[in-house]
Amino acid sequence: DQQVKQNSPSLSVQEGRISILNCDYTNSMFDYFLWYKKYPAEGPTFLISISSIKDKNEDGRFTVFLNKSAKHLSLHIVPSQPGDSAVYFCAASAGNDMRFGAGTRLTVKP
Amino acid sequence: EADIYQTPRYLVIGTGKKITLECSQTMGHDKMYWYQQDPGMELHLIHYSYGVNSTEKGDLSSESTVSRIRTEHFPLTLESARPSHTSQYLCASSDEVLTSSGANVLTFGAGSRLTVL
Repeated sequence: DQQVKQNSPSLSVQEGRISILNCDYTNSMFDYFLWYKKYPAEGPTFLISISSIKDKNEDGRFTVFLNKSAKHLSLHIVPSQPGDSAVYFCAASAGNDMRFGAGTRLTVKP
Repeated sequence: EADIYQTPRYLVIGTGKKITLECSQTMGHDKMYWYQQDPGMELHLIHYSYGVNSTEKGDLSSESTVSRIRTEHFPLTLESARPSHTSQYLCASSDEVLTSSGANVLTFGAGSRLTVL
């Protein structure tokens, strides 16, 4: 039962353009949503989060948007930089239960 | 500098061998977790602990076992490795400090990639 889905396994964008990574979830009980970034040979690191009572959270070049009615969230990176190339995991939590998506590999080309 | 350490990083082992994947954290976190991830798949929680002498199974059935004798140490053991155990194992920890949005964040180790022949 995959409760958090990232349907795009990969995304390629040009440096300076916007990267949009998408995530869908099925459990309406999730109350927090997080994005983690993972470089090769490293563990995932926390990037940005949003509460279910918000629809937007911004941190520098990174913005997360939440559409509760559609059970959909997205991560926008603008402008994209080559150092942003990594695998991005979407995660959702309800209490102590945290679920992860399968990740989207972002490649930012110089 | 990593605050959560996993060893070994890579392990190739034969079927039937006993293995222990080590995980240690220096942050004093009470909560620790083990996730299993196959390539291109989501992370699955296989074990967690909310403190010393507390261990629980996660949502993915696993033949592994864990122990939590010390706050900083959360080893995972496979008594008899099989090819189906080939995967990446990620250890994580968390405390009660929340992000500005109220989310509880996990700190992950670099992972242990296990291959069972």
